[in-house]
Amino acid sequence: AQKVTQAQTEISVVEKEDVTLDCVYETRDTTYYLFWYKQPPSGELVFLIRRNSFDEQNEISGRYSWNFQKSTSSFNFTITASQVVDSAVYFCALKTSGSRLTFGEGTQLTVNP
Amino acid sequence: GAGVSQSPSNKVTEKGKDVELRCDPISGHTALYWYRQSLGQGLEFLIYFQGNSAPDKSGLPSDRFSAERTGGSVSTLTIQRTQQEDSAVYLCASSMPERGMEAFFGQGTRLTVV
Repeated sequence: AQKVTQAQTEISVVEKEDVTLDCVYETRDTTYYLFWYKQPPSGELVFLIRRNSFDEQNEISGRYSWNFQKSTSSFNFTITASQVVDSAVYFCALKTSGSRLTFGEGTQLTVNP
Repeated sequence: GAGVSQSPSNKVTEKGKDVELRCDPISGHTALYWYRQSLGQGLEFLIYFQGNSAPDKSGLPSDRFSAERTGGSVSTLTIQRTQQEDSAVYLCASSMPERGMEAFFGQGTRLTVV
């Protein structure tokens, strides 16, 4: 069985603050893929990043960065200098071979001006 | 088309009626997923297709729900004898899991049962 846990249901920050969204996953497979998606108020699910289980390199894309640690089964997402447009629900997801794409419950991020 | 297409975008139906929701995945994507999302809630898994077969349909909430996929492409989700609790946004996604690719989502079908 596989599982994704996003313990933070809601986070509220003030613009320009840094914020980290936590994601912890469970799987017995050695090969798997992790994803983050953003769902703005418009409702569309937007893909942000994919990581393979055999590549633990952290990644930075503009104000976004991701910290993948197999030792703690975590794939955390940090937004630096948050902006109001970052307000959305963020979902972490896990995929293994032959199985469904499993999502966490999501974290509602609100960035206040 | 370039993306995942779902139709209709909105559907209002009377309680007890049957509805069919359609999903056109990205061409060549072998995996197709159906999820539903109630207002303010997370993504509830319904069913997963690999090709035309469904290795995981454990998320279908009752026998009123069924889905099929033909030709490894279009999928239809059917809800029989709709109930008010079926009201939600139904999301479809497709991917090429053989390449570990991310799933791309359609815009969803907003179903309202009155």
